[in-house]
Amino acid sequence: AQSVTQPDIHITVSEGASLELRCNYSYGATPYLFWYVQSPGQGLQLLLKYFSGDTLVQGIKGFEAEFKRSQSSFNLRKPSVHWSDAAEYFCAVAGGSYIPTFGRGTSLIVHP
Amino acid sequence: NAGVTQTPKFQVLKTGQSMTLQCAQDMNHNSMYWYRQDPGMGLRLIYYSASEGTTDKGEVPNGYNVSRLNKREFSLRLESAAPSQTSVYFCASSEQAGAGEQYFGPGTRLTVT
Repeated sequence: AQSVTQPDIHITVSEGASLELRCNYSYGATPYLFWYVQSPGQGLQLLLKYFSGDTLVQGIKGFEAEFKRSQSSFNLRKPSVHWSDAAEYFCAVAGGSYIPTFGRGTSLIVHP
Repeated sequence: NAGVTQTPKFQVLKTGQSMTLQCAQDMNHNSMYWYRQDPGMGLRLIYYSASEGTTDKGEVPNGYNVSRLNKREFSLRLESAAPSQTSVYFCASSEQAGAGEQYFGPGTRLTVT
C-alpha cells in the first residue's frame, strides 16, 4: 500500500522569504511523486513530478523538489515566495497501482 | 483549449434526491478519475476509469456510481444523496492511469441538506 503524509496543515511565511513544504511517503519501492497547487476555488495544477533520474526536480513558478530515498521524502522548496503563491499544496504518490494517493494538503499563507 | 470541464459548478440537493455530475475532457486521454475533497482530508478517489469501457472503485465508492460514456466523458451519479456527500467533487484525466500528470477540472460544489 502507498501513503503520503504532509505534516504541516498551515505554513505562514513573509513575502520574499524562502519556503519548504514537507512531504513524506510510504511505499516499498521508488514511487512516482507529484506536487500540485490549488488556488482558491480552482482545480489542481501540477507543479512538478519525479519519476526517476536526477533527484532534484525543477517545476513551474520557480518551485523545486528533492527526492530523498533515505528519508522517504519529497519536500517542495522555493527561494523567495510571492504573495501570489498563497494556495493549498498537495503532495501525491503513485506506486504499483499507478493511481496517485494525495496528502491532506498544506495551506500556505503569505504575509506582505 | 477547454481541458477538463465539469457541470454543474454548484448544486444543492435534498436528502434522497439523485443527480449526475458530468465531466468531459478534450485531450484524448485514456484515463479519467473522480475525487472528492473535504476540509482536512485532501483528495480521496471515488472511482476511476483506466481506459474506455473499464471502471474501478477507489477509496470511497459507497453511494456513488459511474459511467464511462465514451473516451471523452465520465459521469458520477448519486442515486440517493446523503448529507455526508456534501463535498467538492473533482474530475481529472491523464494519458495513462496514474503514471502521468493528471489534469483537473474546476470542481462541483455539492451541498446535501
